[in-house]
Amino acid sequence: AQSVAQPEDQVNVAEGNPLTVKCTYSVSGNPYLFWYVQYPNRGLQFLLKYITGDNLVKGSYGFEAEFNKSQTSFHLKKPSALVSDSALYFCAVRDGDYKLSFGAGTTVTVRA
Amino acid sequence: DTEVTQTPKHLVMGMTNKKSLKCEQHMGHRAMYWYKQKAKKPPELMFVYSYEKLSINESVPSRFSPECPNSSLLNLHLHALQPEDSALYLCASSQVERQGYTGELFFGEGSRLTVL
Repeated sequence: AQSVAQPEDQVNVAEGNPLTVKCTYSVSGNPYLFWYVQYPNRGLQFLLKYITGDNLVKGSYGFEAEFNKSQTSFHLKKPSALVSDSALYFCAVRDGDYKLSFGAGTTVTVRA
Repeated sequence: DTEVTQTPKHLVMGMTNKKSLKCEQHMGHRAMYWYKQKAKKPPELMFVYSYEKLSINESVPSRFSPECPNSSLLNLHLHALQPEDSALYLCASSQVERQGYTGELFFGEGSRLTVL
């Protein structure tokens, strides 16, 4: 089975500082990786995905992620965090037909 | 704004009630999903419909009964639920790019269910 791990339950940053949310993966074959964000009392929203190609993937709301095969990582980054980026972030990997395996989630808090 | 619409947003039901959750999308997606999510946890897959046929049932108890009347609609019928079934129920849809492989999921806002 394919899986992802998010090693940090919580990330706290000051507004304007860089934001990184970590994700590592364990797959056989080529990974299809995703990041989703969930704002309070909302559904999940797709941010970006990596399937193949350029290791730096750009997504919604100024987020980007870097696929690193040697470190089996797919960290989510934003150069300058906003208070409105405070949310729950999930990394996910395709795990069979129609299935995603989600990480446990990382709660991001951006303080003003 | 989400393009997957779920109703109702909130539902409170007793253990003997029968209720339904509804989901609608008009993006032309041919795969539709039900997920269950507990607070601060990742969503758990329950059912997947592909081209209106049930493709995946993740060993969900029979008190949950899915239905896909057409390519735009997905229902989840609830009967004789238990308090531990209280959760956020998320509907999602996606394109089917080839058998079993889908594009990214588009989620609705969810239906928050409380079972008394």
